[in-house]
Parts: sequence; C-alpha cells; structure tokens
Amino acid sequence: DARVTQTPRHKVTEMGQEVTMRCQPILGHNTVFWYRQTMMQGLELLAYFRNRAPLDDSGMPKDRFSAEMPDATLATLKIQPSEPRDSAVYFCASGSRDRGDEQYFGPGTRLTVT
Amino acid sequence: QQQVKQSPQSLIVQKGGISIINCAYENTAFDYFPWYQQFPGKGPALLIAIRPDVSEKKEGRFTISFNKSAKQFSLHIMDSQPGDSATYFCAANSFGNEKLTFGTGTRLTIIP
Repeated sequence: DARVTQTPRHKVTEMGQEVTMRCQPILGHNTVFWYRQTMMQGLELLAYFRNRAPLDDSGMPKDRFSAEMPDATLATLKIQPSEPRDSAVYFCASGSRDRGDEQYFGPGTRLTVT
Repeated sequence: QQQVKQSPQSLIVQKGGISIINCAYENTAFDYFPWYQQFPGKGPALLIAIRPDVSEKKEGRFTISFNKSAKQFSLHIMDSQPGDSATYFCAANSFGNEKLTFGTGTRLTIIP
C-alpha cells in the first residue's frame, strides 16, 4: 500500500527553535509538494520539487524556511527560527508527471510553536 | 486570475439527501479540476477529477458537473451518508503546471 509518510506527526516547540519536518514520497513519484494548512489561510503551497530540483518556493518565507530533497526518498522542510505564527499543519504530497496531475498527500505534521 | 472560489463554506445535509458544492474559476487555462476529501487529522485525499473535454464524470455516488462556458464546476454527492462528513476542497491547474490552486474548502456534515 503505497503512501506518503511524514515525521514527526506532532511537534511542539518554543519560539526561536529550529524545526525539521521530513517526508518520504511514494516510490517512483518525481514531484514533491509542501503545503501549509491553517484555519485562516486554508491550504497554501509553500514549495515544490521535480526530480529533486526546486521548481517553485515562492510561497515560502525565505528568511526562515528552507526546503530540500537530499535524495529521491526524502524531502525536508526546515524552519529556523520558528515563530508562533508558524503553528499549522504541514503536508507533504507527491505525484508523478507520467501519471497526470494527481497529488497524494501525507498525514501531515501538526506544528505548535509557543 | 489564479483563484478558485468555493461555496458554501459549510453545508448540512440529511442522510440520503444530495450534497452540492460549487466552485468557480477565472483562469481559462485551467484544464484539470480535482476534488479532495479531508477527514479530521488526515491529509486531503483525491476523490474524483475531471478534464474539460467532458461535462460530467461519475464515480459511485460522487459526480462532478463541469460548465466550461460559465467556468464553474460542482461536486454532487448522492444518497449522502454520515461517513461523507468531511471537508471538501476543489482545485484546478493548467497543462504543464503541477501547482494546484485550491478552493477554501466546504465543511460537510451529514445528519441522520
């Protein structure tokens, strides 16, 4: 049963601390997306990669957020330093150009910054 | 130009009834229109999708109706069940652009 996995599922941290979220895309998928979901803003695209190369990170506050794909099985989203306004659920999704535009979402990381 | 407007924000339907959620878009380059279903504590899951070469697509109790001239598409859930209670998102993108533009979501509650 192929699925996107994300770790950790929950993270509580203090303002100013570094947060790293990890995502394992579905094997064979070559596009990876990072989304943030809040009640106020809904689902926002932060960044996405194709074949491990960043294609668009315009939705990401670049002074504190960074996204990377060290290899085809791991995508990371890092926040440094974290702020209370970063509290949200962060989703990773993966897809494959060969199979159309379908995106498969992971279960999310619920981040709380106090 | 990139927005997808979704309505209503919330919807309550009796069990067995028809749930209808609507979306409208401006960008005429959009050519892929999926609907996602999200349960509390879970990630959104692709429910059904349509491309503009057809006006309707049906999968079980779920139907997408698409009106290209009006730039609108809607999700119909027939014989709605309590298990359908979830948040539904419409989305759209254009050929060659994997980025999905999401609607703001509709919280659907099916009451017995």
